[in-house]
Amino acid sequence: EVQLVQSGAEVKKPGESLKISCKGSGYSFTSYWIAWVRQMPGKGLEWMGMIYPGDSDTRYSPSFQGQVTISADRSINTAYLQWSSLKAPDTAIYYCARQISGAYDYWGQGTLVTVSS
Amino acid sequence: QTVVTQEPSLTVSPGGTVTLTCASSTGAVTTGYYANWFQQKPGQAPRALIYSTSNKHSWTPARFSGSLLGGKAALTLSGVQPEDEAEYYCLLYYGGAQGVFGGGTKLTVL
Repeated sequence: EVQLVQSGAEVKKPGESLKISCKGSGYSFTSYWIAWVRQMPGKGLEWMGMIYPGDSDTRYSPSFQGQVTISADRSINTAYLQWSSLKAPDTAIYYCARQISGAYDYWGQGTLVTVSS
Repeated sequence: QTVVTQEPSLTVSPGGTVTLTCASSTGAVTTGYYANWFQQKPGQAPRALIYSTSNKHSWTPARFSGSLLGGKAALTLSGVQPEDEAEYYCLLYYGGAQGVFGGGTKLTVL
């Protein structure tokens, strides 16, 4: 059974760093892209970027380039999304999703990140 | 900045048919945009319905179909059920590597 399991909810202060994770199982982790998607409170979905764990090829949306870092550790089938300095507007649910040849199928359950002083 | 536009809201009667569309600010949507469609219900993660314009996943109900219509990607629901009430999002690919979501369509079944 294919699964993407994300790390738990986080509460952080502005300026703090954070790394959230997405662990894939039930398939060849290195053969599919993992994309990250943001959903701010009460808003729509935003495509942030994606990584191909097979060779760490990474693509970013222009809106998120330089704001976050996407990485992966294929030895433990896990992709990451990290911030070096969080801001209040980073408060959102972040989803990971699997993709191959432009086709999205399985999604993680989402990680709620709350940034508040 | 590329913009993908969907109808903000649509209402359909149970058993009826409704078409949601997805337009690109860059021009006509073609198969090269690999349109994906997702359904999201409150408090849940999105669920994939359609990929590469018209292909269904194994779990996609038969009443959902994807196509190109008038230069846009389209999602048609035939024989709408009450459980189809949800937010629907399209995703288009640009340059083979950049994804852009539409703003979402809130579908009400009334």
